[in-house]
Amino acid sequence: ETGVTQSPTHLIKTRGQQVTLRCSSQSGHNTVSWYQQALGQGPQFIFQYYREEENGRGNFPPRFSGLQFPNYSSELNVNALELDDSALYLCASSAGQQETQYFGPGTRLLVL
Amino acid sequence: TQLLEQSPQFLSIQEGENLTVYCNSSSVFSSLQWYRQEPGEGPVLLVTVVTGGEVKKLKRLTFQFGDARKDSSLHITAAQPGDTGLYLCAGVRGSARQLTFGSGTQLTVLP
Repeated sequence: ETGVTQSPTHLIKTRGQQVTLRCSSQSGHNTVSWYQQALGQGPQFIFQYYREEENGRGNFPPRFSGLQFPNYSSELNVNALELDDSALYLCASSAGQQETQYFGPGTRLLVL
Repeated sequence: TQLLEQSPQFLSIQEGENLTVYCNSSSVFSSLQWYRQEPGEGPVLLVTVVTGGEVKKLKRLTFQFGDARKDSSLHITAAQPGDTGLYLCAGVRGSARQLTFGSGTQLTVLP
């Protein structure tokens, strides 16, 4: 059974650019949640997708958007990147909204 | 803004010592989870506590949920170098089972 995978592992962008991060959920999981983890902090909830629909959102601006595909993989898009967007972006999948979340290794984004 | 406060933020101890990590909040959660995160990896779930006053043991790790379901503690007995990592508590609430994480406790166990 394949776990949660994320790509790319590392990424460097400049301020104002746009970025797309990808997440493949664990087999049989239909729910994906995205988190931002700044250096030295715990992860912060961005949003969750359940069966291709957004199902809950944290305190992040609209330039953070997402998508879930029919195979339940997901993308996180961030527009107009700011320096403070530099962080580890984690994706977690679960077999349902109420089930345990399993985290991927994350994508480390650096905005210069 | 972290709604869950963890203490201490950093902890460095010798192998064989005992330690306790605390997780406190002014909010009530339906359940609380503890994770361990190692460099280059995502958090891995250790335990979920649901009932106020609940105590769960996982080998040398003992987890307790406060009676009011606002706070929790993690106690490690006879720490080993393999216990080194970032320990995160996370409160669970809402239909999306949104996780609210604490800021973490970085534990280093020296051989």
